[in-house]
Amino acid sequence: ILNVEQSPQSLHVQEGDSTNFTCSFPSSNFYALHWYRWETAKSPEALFVMTLNGDEKKKGRISATLNTKEGYSYLYIKGSQPEDSATYLCAPYQGAQKLVFGQGTRLTINP
Amino acid sequence: NAGVMQNPRHLVRRRGQEARLRCSPMKGHSHVYWYRQLPEEGLKFMVYLQKENIIDESGMPKERFSAEFPKEGPSILRIQQVVRGDSAAYFCASSPDRGVNEQYFGPGTRLTVT
Repeated sequence: ILNVEQSPQSLHVQEGDSTNFTCSFPSSNFYALHWYRWETAKSPEALFVMTLNGDEKKKGRISATLNTKEGYSYLYIKGSQPEDSATYLCAPYQGAQKLVFGQGTRLTINP
Repeated sequence: NAGVMQNPRHLVRRRGQEARLRCSPMKGHSHVYWYRQLPEEGLKFMVYLQKENIIDESGMPKERFSAEFPKEGPSILRIQQVVRGDSAAYFCASSPDRGVNEQYFGPGTRLTVT
């Protein structure tokens, strides 16, 4: 069973502050890492698909880095806004034809 | 380009009845994935299908659950003789290729078993 850990499980951040959280995954048989954003009452929405060690991706105020050798990825949000409140999921793809999702980091932005 | 469509959005079944959940992938997508979210839990993979083929069903319960993705029409997740523990949100996702590419999720079907 693939062990995917995300930390912290939940996070409260003041509007305007920057924040980051972690996804840890087994480094063997790595193909890609997916990050998804999941707002309450909506469906998960893809943020990034990362494949290369050292990869950095950015979308607006959100960025992510990837370390495949040690098996972790960081997601950063700069200048948090209330609309950033969501659960952020990571899922490694390790060639087993499926994504294995972590439990997610639930982010709440306090106005 | 319409997104992934699932219906019904909400389904109520009595114990012992059958539940059929439908998923129409995005246009041009031939890969479909089903996930389940049990109360207070994360998304768990159930099954991965391509047209007319089940590729990986390692996340499906061994009994009462089946899935298909026919040549024509939507993918169907079928749960026979539902029990209370089947109450969950069932999400379908599609992609144009296998899992290296991002998956596009539907709105989900919330199944309640009474």
